[in-house]
Amino acid sequence: DAGVIQSPRHEVTEMGQEVTLRCKPISGHNSLFWYRQTMMRGLELLIYFNNNVPIDDSGMPEDRFSAKMPNASFSTLKIQPSEPRDSAVYFCATTRASGGAATGELFFGEGSRLTVL
Amino acid sequence: RKEVEQDPGPFNVPEGATVAFNCTYSNSASQSFFWYRQDCRKEPKLLMSVYSSGNEDGRFTAQLNRASQYISLLIRDSKLSDSATYLCVVSGGSNYKLTFGKGTLLTVNP
Repeated sequence: DAGVIQSPRHEVTEMGQEVTLRCKPISGHNSLFWYRQTMMRGLELLIYFNNNVPIDDSGMPEDRFSAKMPNASFSTLKIQPSEPRDSAVYFCATTRASGGAATGELFFGEGSRLTVL
Repeated sequence: RKEVEQDPGPFNVPEGATVAFNCTYSNSASQSFFWYRQDCRKEPKLLMSVYSSGNEDGRFTAQLNRASQYISLLIRDSKLSDSATYLCVVSGGSNYKLTFGKGTLLTVNP
């Protein structure tokens, strides 16, 4: 079975450019999370979708970040304009959830490693 | 106090050693607790859930102390393949919100 699929795996861009990260969840998983991981701050939750609806975006750092989930098979995280401090590994993770409660096992994609110069 | 706090390590142990990691959490309303494992430059993966009564999975034992708000992971007879970062994970007041500790780096040496 295919796991969570993220693209691109690596992206190097210049400050000010737009970055779009993509995620395809595991079929049947109705909850999707975007995390960011850095050495300094560890794994931080950016946004959580349940049944394609954004439930909690309190972790989104600022207006430069936006996320969408137009259908159950696809989500995007966009950064516009990008800044060097956005350099991190961005993970998408999915799970089955009932009433929004996490079962505990989040299935992570392999991550998108972003470098902003 | 940070939501989830772990000793970052690194822990360097020889093969066959027993090693223990602790993790403390600040939200007394937390309901669910887990240990995840993350290999270098890979994604985190669930290692085991942590139950109130404590639980064991082969060489791994997890325990929860709600009164003191800490979780532990014990690895017995450590193998080279156990080398990884171990992440303590705690649910927040809203059960979907899993907060990750920064992780404890373990290196098992031959």
